[in-house]
Amino acid sequence: NAGVTQTPKFQVLKTGQSMTLQCAQDMNHNSMYWYRQDPGMGLRLIYYSASEGTTDKGEVPNGYNVSRLNKREFSLRLESAAPSQTSVYFCASSRDRNEKLFFGSGTQLSVL
Amino acid sequence: QKEVEQDPGPLSVPEGAIVSLNCTYSNSAFQYFMWYRQYSRKGPELLMYTYSSGNKEDGRFTAQVDKSSKYISLFIRDSQPSDSATYLCASPGGGSSNTGKLIFGQGTTLQVKP
Repeated sequence: NAGVTQTPKFQVLKTGQSMTLQCAQDMNHNSMYWYRQDPGMGLRLIYYSASEGTTDKGEVPNGYNVSRLNKREFSLRLESAAPSQTSVYFCASSRDRNEKLFFGSGTQLSVL
Repeated sequence: QKEVEQDPGPLSVPEGAIVSLNCTYSNSAFQYFMWYRQYSRKGPELLMYTYSSGNKEDGRFTAQVDKSSKYISLFIRDSQPSDSATYLCASPGGGSSNTGKLIFGQGTTLQVKP
């Protein structure tokens, strides 16, 4: 029972490099989310997709883009990585808005 | 001011103690609340959710909401070392704040010592 799968688990980038974080869920959920978690800041929403074909900004969208590729997959792209984007990134999904979130195991990203 | 706030701790207790974890929220329109548990290097997982005021019990865990003071609590009875984790409270908001996105507190780190 995979649930929410994120790749990669760890990544080190140099400032200015780009990368895409991948997320897939196998629970037939409509809504998907990207969060970042920093010490003392808790979980902050970057982008979310309430349903296939829609995306919307969260609390901290600057420097990121997302793609809801299909119902299962929701990717997060850093076009030009900055040290301020060093964080742990979590993908999550829910059956619908306002319902409980299921989280992936996270991606530890360091930008040097 | 964050809409949902927690004391980040850390909170350290001996095994068997009763633990009280607390959150405050700022908007009286918030209607239901969730508690997530996050082990080190793992994603959060839903522990409990509760609607409006009152208590909800699940085994050793009790979630309590006091809407008059905008205060939510999670009590852990007979705490175990396996309860050592970060506990996050969350709410989808309410009224005009209900955007379908969960609002999380900062999380409280709990350590239960054997």
